[in-house]
Amino acid sequence: AQSVSQHNHHVILSEAASLELGCNYSYGGTVNLFWYVQYPGQHLQLLLKYFSGDPLVKGIKGFEAEFIKSKFSFNLRKPSVQWSDTAEYFCAVNSPPGGSYIPTFGRGTSLIVHP
Amino acid sequence: DVKVTQSSRYLVKRTGEKVFLECVQDMDHENMFWYRQDPGLGLRLIYFSYDVKMKEKGDIPEGYSVSREKKERFSLILESASTNQTSMYLCASSLLLEGSYNEQFFGPGTRLTVL
Repeated sequence: AQSVSQHNHHVILSEAASLELGCNYSYGGTVNLFWYVQYPGQHLQLLLKYFSGDPLVKGIKGFEAEFIKSKFSFNLRKPSVQWSDTAEYFCAVNSPPGGSYIPTFGRGTSLIVHP
Repeated sequence: DVKVTQSSRYLVKRTGEKVFLECVQDMDHENMFWYRQDPGLGLRLIYFSYDVKMKEKGDIPEGYSVSREKKERFSLILESASTNQTSMYLCASSLLLEGSYNEQFFGPGTRLTVL
């Protein structure tokens, strides 16, 4: 079964610091990759997704992620965080057609940005 | 915009009660999901449905059942609520795109407390 690891459970940064959140998955075949964000008191919403093509994906609010197939990774980055980026971040992976169509989520990373 | 709504934001029930959580989506999505979200455990899939009257067990179906009588509505049922089912319950929907599940759209969640 597919598994997804988010190595950083809690991250605390000051505003303007750079951010990188790790995401690794286990399935070796074709994958679709997602990052979702949950701001305090709000719905989970999509930040960005990768299905195919350019492995560097740009999302909303200045976030980007790079798919590195050889490392089974899809790390999320932002060059300069803001206080409003305080949220919980989830990586998700599904792996059609050989694996599971259903996305598997990581355990999440809680990001706190101090002003 | 896709909208996924859940019947209650907060619910308090007693041990042994039967609990119904309702979810409605307005974008004609084939697929609907129920997750529970617990701190440090991320999102865990309880059940999903890919069509009316069709359902599949997720990772943690024990103690839960579901019903999908109409395409837009997906209900989660706790047959006999227990304290270990105290959690945040999230509903989601998605399209099936090119043979793969696309991004999911989430509801606001129902925080259930079982006393």
